[in-house]
Amino acid sequence: EVQLVQSGAEVKKPGESLKISCKGSGYSFTSYWIGWVRQMPGKGLEWMGIIYPGDSDTRYSPSFQGQVTISADKSISTAYLQWSSLKASDTAMYYCVRHDGRQSPFDYWGQGTLVTVSS
Amino acid sequence: EIVMTQSPATLSVSPGERATLSCRASQSVSSNLAWYQQKPGQAPRLLIYGASIRATGIPARFSGSGSGTEFTLTISILQSEDFAVYYCQQYNNWPAWTFGQGTKVEIK
Repeated sequence: EVQLVQSGAEVKKPGESLKISCKGSGYSFTSYWIGWVRQMPGKGLEWMGIIYPGDSDTRYSPSFQGQVTISADKSISTAYLQWSSLKASDTAMYYCVRHDGRQSPFDYWGQGTLVTVSS
Repeated sequence: EIVMTQSPATLSVSPGERATLSCRASQSVSSNLAWYQQKPGQAPRLLIYGASIRATGIPARFSGSGSGTEFTLTISILQSEDFAVYYCQQYNNWPAWTFGQGTKVEIK
């Protein structure tokens, strides 16, 4: 069974750094892309970026380029989303998603990680 | 960027009735269109891809149609578990996926 299991909720202060994770199982982790999707409170879905764990090829949405860093450790089948300096506007639910790299949808979603940034 | 516009924002429907949701793309996305369902407190779930193909395990009461710039999701006989928010997504441009703003299907 394909599963994407994300790390738990985080409460941080503005200016702090953060790295959240997404562990894949039940499939070949290095054969699929892992993306990240943001959902701000009460709002819709925004694609942030995507990584191919096989060779760490990474692409970012222009809206998020320079704002976050996506990485992966294929030895432990885990992808990461990190911030170097959080802002209150980063408060949101973040989902990781699986993608096969072709013209296709996001077929599996993680359960989400809620990030709250507040002073 | 391809802009996806969904209508209506909210749809009030009684259980057992039919619901029709619309999604429009700012330029052609061929049939590279997916629909997702999101229930409160849950992650989105893939319902339809290729504009009209049901994902694994999705009941037949969900159907999708359209191509190019105009798409429709129809729920033929609404069940209580179908009240949720529905998002369309284009995946015609890789990697520049965009979502609609969502349609909330609520109980009338």
